[in-house]
Amino acid sequence: EVQLVESGGGLVQPGGSLRLSCAASGFTFSNAWMNWVRQAPGKGLEWVGRLKSKAGGGTADYAAPVKGRFTISRDDSQTTLYLQMNSLKAEDTAVYYCVAIVSGTPADPYFDCWGQGTLVTVSS
Amino acid sequence: EIVMTQSPATLSVSPGERATLSCRASQSVSNNLAWYQQKPGQAPRLLIYGSSTRATGIPARFSGSGSGTDFTLTISSLQSEDFAVYYCQQYNNWPPYSFGQGTKLEIK
Repeated sequence: EVQLVESGGGLVQPGGSLRLSCAASGFTFSNAWMNWVRQAPGKGLEWVGRLKSKAGGGTADYAAPVKGRFTISRDDSQTTLYLQMNSLKAEDTAVYYCVAIVSGTPADPYFDCWGQGTLVTVSS
Repeated sequence: EIVMTQSPATLSVSPGERATLSCRASQSVSNNLAWYQQKPGQAPRLLIYGSSTRATGIPARFSGSGSGTDFTLTISSLQSEDFAVYYCQQYNNWPPYSFGQGTKLEIK
């Protein structure tokens, strides 16, 4: 069974940092392009960033609101994805979902596997 | 950046009836369009990819159509478990992968 389990969310002050983790199982993690998607309370879905597999180049891309503040990384040996969030703002408050492209391909990258999400609250 | 616009924002339909949800892209996304369903307190679930291909385990009452800029998700004979929020997403021009703002399907 394909499974993604996020952790690391919580309350952080504006300007602070937080690192989210996503433990993956049930698929070949090293081959998967991985994403983070967030959802502010009562709002829609917003793509945060994507990290390609090492075979795909291993590069990351980010949405404009988080570029320069957030960093996505992966440990293929631990089948874990990370999201390092720095200089956090109130508008970063959201549920953060880890999303894997498992059945899709780099040319057809639909989001077919989602974690349950972890809540990040940025407030003083 | 491609902007995805869904309509209507809220759709009220009776159980057993058909629901038609729309999604429009600000420029062509070919058929690289997915639909997701999200129920309260749950993560989104992939329903449709490639504009019209049902994901694994998705019932046949869900169908998708369209190409280019205009897309439709149709749910025939609504069941109680279908009342949820639906999002479209383009993955033709990325990054970013842009989502629509969602359509809430509610019981009439």
